[in-house]
Amino acid sequence: DQQVKQNSPSLSVQEGRISILNCDYTNSMFDYFLWYKKYPAEGPTFLISISSIKDKNEDGRFTVFLNKSAKHLSLHIVPSQPGDSAVYFCAASAGNNDMRFGAGTRLTVKP
Amino acid sequence: NAGVMQNPRHLVRRRGQEARLRCSPMKGHSHVYWYRQLPEEGLKFMVYLQKENIIDESGMPKERFSAEFPKEGPSILRIQQVVRGDSAAYFCASSRDRGNEKLFFGSGTQLSVL
Repeated sequence: DQQVKQNSPSLSVQEGRISILNCDYTNSMFDYFLWYKKYPAEGPTFLISISSIKDKNEDGRFTVFLNKSAKHLSLHIVPSQPGDSAVYFCAASAGNNDMRFGAGTRLTVKP
Repeated sequence: NAGVMQNPRHLVRRRGQEARLRCSPMKGHSHVYWYRQLPEEGLKFMVYLQKENIIDESGMPKERFSAEFPKEGPSILRIQQVVRGDSAAYFCASSRDRGNEKLFFGSGTQLSVL
């Protein structure tokens, strides 16, 4: 029962360019969406979130876009930096903290 | 100013033994969540607990797995009679309230079953 899907297991971009990570969900009850970043041997750390009443949220180099009709969200990182290389997880919840995560996308930013 | 603390970081067990994973939530947090990450897979929700209560255990295997969050002390995820397929990274997270809040994760316990 994969309610949150990240179809790209990996992504490689050049330093300074834009990274776009995508996420799709199936549960229309989800109303809160988050992106987490994970380095090896560490726990995931919160990056940015968006509620369903918005379609965009920006924090520095990171912007999350939400398309409710398509049940799709994306994370844009611009400009990408080598330190951004990590696994990025998309997560969604329906207001009850029963948060579901995608399988993750491994981002590699090449110098 | 401690975050979510999990111990041990690494746990090695032989098949048939018991594994106990501990999690102390962030100060002021009364909601605890356990997730499992299998190799090359994402984070799978297991169980959500509040102090002395299991709120949602829909992600827990029906047998051998149990979780508790007592009034005093850390949350415990217990796996009885471990099998090789239990080998995974187990992450604990906590939040202050219920509802749409970000979760704060610990560094995880890597369980290896020989």
